[in-house]
Order: sequence, then structure tokens, then C-alpha cells
Amino acid sequence: EVQLVESGGGLVQPGGSLRLSCTASGFDFSTFDMHWVRQPTGKGLEWVSLIGIPGDADYSDSVKGRFSVSRENGKKSLYLQMNDLRVEDTAIYYCARDGYPFDVWGQGAVVIVSS
Amino acid sequence: QPVVTQSPSASASLGASVKLTCTLGSGHSTYAIAWHQKQPDKGPRYLMKIKSDGTHTKGDGIPDRFSGSSSGAERYLTISSVQSEDEAEYYCQTWGTGIQWVFGGGTKLTVL
Repeated sequence: EVQLVESGGGLVQPGGSLRLSCTASGFDFSTFDMHWVRQPTGKGLEWVSLIGIPGDADYSDSVKGRFSVSRENGKKSLYLQMNDLRVEDTAIYYCARDGYPFDVWGQGAVVIVSS
Repeated sequence: QPVVTQSPSASASLGASVKLTCTLGSGHSTYAIAWHQKQPDKGPRYLMKIKSDGTHTKGDGIPDRFSGSSSGAERYLTISSVQSEDEAEYYCQTWGTGIQWVFGGGTKLTVL
């Protein structure tokens, strides 16, 4: 079964850091671009970041300079390092496979930024 | 002008048909889009990709009652014989050089 499972969410204070993980199964992870997408409570989906097959990265303006995406193909894993977190980063974070378009999604990891 | 626009809400009676619309903004009218379904407490689910010529490619296991079409800058998701489990938010997504990956604001479908 093709599956993505996120982990690492939690409660963090403003200015803090958190690292999300996404573990893939059922497909050749190394041959797909991968993305992070988030949904703040009561709002719509928002694209956050991309990591390409060769490891190139791109970010939305709202997280650029604070978030860093990486991948470890041998572990079929995708990561999102989130630094200098803000209250407005509070959301459910999803990883997604780019099968042109996003054709597989995880169940999400909850991130709450609050003092 | 937004890259993609969706109506915030729609409703349909159980067993009826409903057509959701995604409108591409000026300069993006020929872009392909994808429809995703977001049910409460679940991750999004890819439904289909729709090209400007109306051809659509559905995701694995998507029921036949879901179909897609296109006209000009509009891309449609039609749900025939709406079921109670179709009550969800539906997001339109497009992508391209210079716009990265963009989602519409979503349409909340209520099944009456």
C-alpha cells in the first residue's frame, strides 16, 4: 500500500524549533519530488516547501529563511526543520508526493505554536 | 487577480448531482489543475487532474460518480448521485513556473 506517515508534531513556544518527519512506504521514494503543505485551523491548504529528486529545495515566502526541508532516500524519509516558529505557523502539516500533481498525502502532524 | 478562485460553499441533496467550479486567473487560463477532497480529521485525498482540453485523470480508487471537465478558464468537478460521505471541502490546485504550487480557498460541500 502506498502510504505517507508524518510524525514529530507538538506544542512549542514562539521562537522555538520543531522537526517533522514523513516516512514513505509502498513506492520508490527516491524517484519523486516531495512537498510539505499545511492547513491552519479554519483555513485552506497552503503550500510550504518542495524538495526535488536531486535535493533542490523551494519554499513559500511565509517560511523562507526559517524552515529547511531535507530527505534521506535510504530511509524513505522526508523532513521539515522549523525554526523561529511563530503563532501563525500553527497548523496541521501534511507531506505529499508529487506524482504530477500531488497524488498521495499523509494524515498530517499537528503543530501548535503558543506561549 | 488570484491564480485560482473557488466559491466558498455549495450544497446538494442526497442522490442529486453537483458541479464545483475552479476559475483560473488571467494569464493562467490554460493551466492544468487538480482536485483534492479534504474530510474532517483526515488527510487530503487526490481526486483527479484536469487539463485545459477537458481530459481528466482520476486517482486510484476514485468512484465513477466523480468526473471532471473544462471550459475556457474554468475547471469543473462534478459529483453525480451525491452520497453523505461526499460532504467535505474540495480544493483546486494548480502549479507552474513563477507561481509555485497554489491552492484555491476551497469549497465546502454540504449534503442535504
